[in-house]
Amino acid sequence: KNQVEQSPQSLIILEGKNCTLQCNYTVSPFSNLRWYKQDTGRGPVSLTIMTFSENTKSNGRYTATLDADTKQSSLHITASQLSDSASYICVVPSMDSSYKLIFGSGTRLLVRP
Amino acid sequence: NAGVTQTPKFQVLKTGQSMTLQCAQDMNHNSMYWYRQDPGMGLRLIYYSASEGTTDKGEVPNGYNVSRLNKREFSLRLESAAPSQTSVYFCASSERAGNQPQHFGDGTRLSIL
Repeated sequence: KNQVEQSPQSLIILEGKNCTLQCNYTVSPFSNLRWYKQDTGRGPVSLTIMTFSENTKSNGRYTATLDADTKQSSLHITASQLSDSASYICVVPSMDSSYKLIFGSGTRLLVRP
Repeated sequence: NAGVTQTPKFQVLKTGQSMTLQCAQDMNHNSMYWYRQDPGMGLRLIYYSASEGTTDKGEVPNGYNVSRLNKREFSLRLESAAPSQTSVYFCASSERAGNQPQHFGDGTRLSIL
C-alpha cells in the first residue's frame, strides 16, 4: 500500500474556479508534510511545508490544510489561473530518515480558459 | 542564481553502455539527492548525500553509483545501463534535512534501448 495517496489523479477546471486536492498518508511518526508543484518538463517546486502543529498554511492563492489526527491534508487553489496547470505532489518524510522523502504520485490539474 | 543545474537534459543509450549524470548547485546547500520519476509513480530516492564526504542509499540504489565531488557537485553513474533504467532523473539539494525544502533541477530524460 502506498504510504502517500493522492486524489483525484487528474482534474479539469475552468479558469477562475476553485479546487481542492486531497492527500492521505500513513507514515508515522510525523514531522512535516510538503506540497510541491511540478510543471510539465520541469522539476518540482516547493509550495508549502507544514509541521504537525500547523493546521493551515497559505502561499498566495494556495492554502494547505493538515489534520494530523486523521492523517489527511488538502491543497486548495483559489481563483485558478491557466498557469496553475501542473501536477501537485504531496510529500512526507520517511520514518527511517528525514533525508528520505516519500512522494505521492500527484494530481494532474488542467485549467481551461 | 541558477539553483540546481543538471546535464545533460536528454540522453539515449544502448543497453550495457555507461554514463554519468552531472548535478551542481550554487546555493551552498549541505545535502544533495538523486531521484528517478517514472510514469504513474512518485519520485523515488536513489541515493543522497547528507553532507560533503558522505553518501547513503535510498529506496532504489541498485544499478547506480554516486560521487559527492565537492559541496557543489553530486554525480550519478550508470555502469551498465538497462532498459529498466529508462526514466527521468532529478537532482535536488537542501540546506539540511528536517523542515527544509528541497530544490530540484529540471531533470535528465534518459532512454535506454
